[in-house]
Amino acid sequence: ETGVTQTPRHLVMGMTNKKSLKCEQHLGHNAMYWYKQSAKKPLELMFVYSLEERVENNSVPSRFSPECPNSSHLFLHLHTLQPEDSALYLCASSQGLAGGGLYEQYFGPGTRLTVT
Amino acid sequence: DAKTTQPPSMDCAEGRAANLPCNHSTISGNEYVYWYRQIHSQGPQYIIHGLKNNETNEMASLIITEDRKSSTLILPHATLRDTAVYYCIVRVAGAGGTSYGKLTFGQGTILTVHP
Repeated sequence: ETGVTQTPRHLVMGMTNKKSLKCEQHLGHNAMYWYKQSAKKPLELMFVYSLEERVENNSVPSRFSPECPNSSHLFLHLHTLQPEDSALYLCASSQGLAGGGLYEQYFGPGTRLTVT
Repeated sequence: DAKTTQPPSMDCAEGRAANLPCNHSTISGNEYVYWYRQIHSQGPQYIIHGLKNNETNEMASLIITEDRKSSTLILPHATLRDTAVYYCIVRVAGAGGTSYGKLTFGQGTILTVHP
């Protein structure tokens, strides 16, 4: 248990569906992240939020829409996805954004998404 | 961030030390070396980080060469549960603009611990 939970753990959706992924952190952190991990590819950073404000949108298509209502919750709203969007979606949190010797990221278990 | 180079895979016998190398020859003075691992179908897990000095915690030891161009992660007594992909990441120390300490994952090293 890392203190970061994700639901659902598995999701199968059609290309015309709308669904949402949820992430919750119980660590009192101020920064949250969405990553995508496709088969046999490195993790790709998608979005970064700090104090509920988006600070990075890493050229992600608009069919992925993040929402951060407070510092403990992060959502990823999905609509009209493509089969190539099938991947493991990982949420992470950190105490802050600073790098260096501070603020390692804690990851959730991920949501395995399959788009049919 | 500086790029890192790791061997794609390594084997280790259970109970023996696992030494995972990482090259980061273009590392800058304000960049730290981080190690994460990812056990199959789970999220990555932070292991250890360092700047110049060797570091040790309950999970592992990190040895950084004097010129900081390479490092080695040491798992002193590997167990079957240490089988995972190990990522070596060089990360800036900044907190502003695009230098907010982004983690850039590569392909990592697949460590297989066998009985």
